[in-house]
Amino acid sequence: GEDVEQSLFLSVREGDSSVINCTYTDSSSTYLYWYKQEPGAGLQLLTYIFSNMDMKQDQRLTVLLNKKDKHLSLRIADTQTGDSAIYFCAEKFESASKIIFGSGTRLSIRP
Amino acid sequence: EAGVTQFPSHSVIEKGQTVTLRCDPISGHDNLYWYRRVMGKEIKFLLHFVKESKQDESGMPNNRFLAERTGGTYSTLKVQPAELEDSGVYFCASSLGQGGEQFFGPGTRLTVL
Repeated sequence: GEDVEQSLFLSVREGDSSVINCTYTDSSSTYLYWYKQEPGAGLQLLTYIFSNMDMKQDQRLTVLLNKKDKHLSLRIADTQTGDSAIYFCAEKFESASKIIFGSGTRLSIRP
Repeated sequence: EAGVTQFPSHSVIEKGQTVTLRCDPISGHDNLYWYRRVMGKEIKFLLHFVKESKQDESGMPNNRFLAERTGGTYSTLKVQPAELEDSGVYFCASSLGQGGEQFFGPGTRLTVL
């Protein structure tokens, strides 16, 4: 079945690392994404990982994929106030049109 | 280059009324998608156009929703008659190729009272 789940809220102190977790049910997904939505803005593709990869690093962002447990995580190092947003985990199958999203995790930063 | 634009940004209507949402994709993108996020839940796929043809409309909730893309450029999504549960944010996205990155618009927030 198609189901992507993630926790609704995360609060971290500025400068700390943020880790947003996600689980998905369909192991045949090809692409796994993290989207960011800032207030009043659209969805921005933050990063993605192919299902045959375990890890991807891009500056302050690290994506970890555990295919056995169907678990995806996004780590943001040195979290800044500009990182405040809703982060959506998503998956897509190679042959499909649609992206399947989770409910989003609202990340708030405290001083 | 302009991104995906949507109009209006916010619409408030009463139950039973009709609302039409518009999406202008990135110029040259043949693929256009509609999604919606209801009640702060997950963002759900509604349908996918390739040019003016509906490639996949498996996510359309019921026949109160009508999507069109005449001429293969902009698209409209009409809700008639609107119900309370239709409230949410409607996102449009476009991509160059079918498997290409989908670029999202800012969304239209629909409130049905």
